[in-house]
Amino acid sequence: GNSVTQMEGPVTLSEEAFLTINCTYTATGYPSLFWYVQYPGEGLQLLLKATKADDKGSNKGFEATYRKETTSFHLEKGSVQVSDSAVYFCALPMIKAAGNKLTFGGGTRVLVKP
Amino acid sequence: EPEVTQTPSHQVTQMGQEVILRCVPISNHLYFYWYRQILGQKVEFLVSFYNNEISEKSEIFDDQFSVERPDGSNFTLKIRSTKLEDSAMYFCASGDRPNTGELFFGEGSRLTVL
Repeated sequence: GNSVTQMEGPVTLSEEAFLTINCTYTATGYPSLFWYVQYPGEGLQLLLKATKADDKGSNKGFEATYRKETTSFHLEKGSVQVSDSAVYFCALPMIKAAGNKLTFGGGTRVLVKP
Repeated sequence: EPEVTQTPSHQVTQMGQEVILRCVPISNHLYFYWYRQILGQKVEFLVSFYNNEISEKSEIFDDQFSVERPDGSNFTLKIRSTKLEDSAMYFCASGDRPNTGELFFGEGSRLTVL
């Protein structure tokens, strides 16, 4: 089945710093790719997605580009805020190119200090 | 904003006891899921449920586990005889469409088996 690996945290940075969280995947075909975020005390929520190669998903100032040549989907934000402190999960369908049965990375905890 | 709610937020139980975790999915959603995250490990798919039956389940979801939608609003996960290794955070999720990867998660129920 498909799998995903993301960088381990925690990542600690100051407000307005640049954030990158690496995510690479192994998959059959070209599956949809997702970033989910879990804010403290809340459930996971979809942050952004990309459904095909070279697509760029974006939301709340975050971006991730689907790179099939490097099998990567790195998450970036140019200027983080304290409110971005959360755990970020890269994900993709477990078997098929699309599906709601997802496999997640281990999560990367991000702490943004004022 | 509609949300998925889970109860209890934390349950402590003795090994061998039965546990029921409850979820109220978003009201117009038709696809329901349970995932779990053992401390320090990845979020893992357990089971998906649609049209009052299980549509997919993982190897983890053995005979000790069952799911039910007893009425129009609740979606439950039952563990018949808990083991120490069942200690985890259990996440309920729902979706309004298949194969999109766009799931709405609850805050999770932490199960501790002693």
